[in-house]
Amino acid sequence: KNQVEQSPQSLIILEGKNCTLQCNYTVSPFSNLRWYKQDTGRGPVSLTIMTFSENTKSNGRYTATLDADTKQSSLHITASQLSDSASYICVVSSGGDYKLSFGAGTTVTVRA
Amino acid sequence: GAGVSQSPSNKVTEKGKDVELRCDPISGHTALYWYRQRLGQGLEFLIYFQGNSAPDKSGLPSDRFSAERTGESVSTLTIQRTQQEDSAVYLCASSLVNRDLEGEKLFFGSGTQLSVL
Repeated sequence: KNQVEQSPQSLIILEGKNCTLQCNYTVSPFSNLRWYKQDTGRGPVSLTIMTFSENTKSNGRYTATLDADTKQSSLHITASQLSDSASYICVVSSGGDYKLSFGAGTTVTVRA
Repeated sequence: GAGVSQSPSNKVTEKGKDVELRCDPISGHTALYWYRQRLGQGLEFLIYFQGNSAPDKSGLPSDRFSAERTGESVSTLTIQRTQQEDSAVYLCASSLVNRDLEGEKLFFGSGTQLSVL
């Protein structure tokens, strides 16, 4: 069964600090990995999409990394802001397969 | 429209009643997806539409669940004889196509919070 495991389940950080979220997956075959941000009461919004050949991709203060050999990804948030408080979801696609595999998400709370 | 729109945003119903959830995708998006999100769990795939056709309905949890799409636009997810375990957020997403990286980018609606009492 294709699985996507995220850690930690939740974390609290102070405004201005950095944090890193982890994603391990067993999905095969692999096409691409996406990170989504989901604000409370809203649908997920795409942050990054990375293919097998990409090791890192940035979107503003968000930087995602991918190690396809170890099947691990991380999302780094730099200089956190209160608006970064949300759930961050790791999603893996097998390509041409609409059945994406979703992680349960990491809930990030940024405090002033 | 500018984004994916879902209605209602919240629905409270009694066990045994039928409910209909609506999704208006982004204009021109050929692919449409329904997901269920239970508290603390990852999104669960329900059904996918390419145009008005649903190539795979295997994600639907039971025969009480059905969905249709018309005019390659609006989709309706119907849950008959609702049960308490149906309580969840039902999310709809759309995309241009699912054959290239950019086309696979999903745009989600805000979801319908369904509560079955």
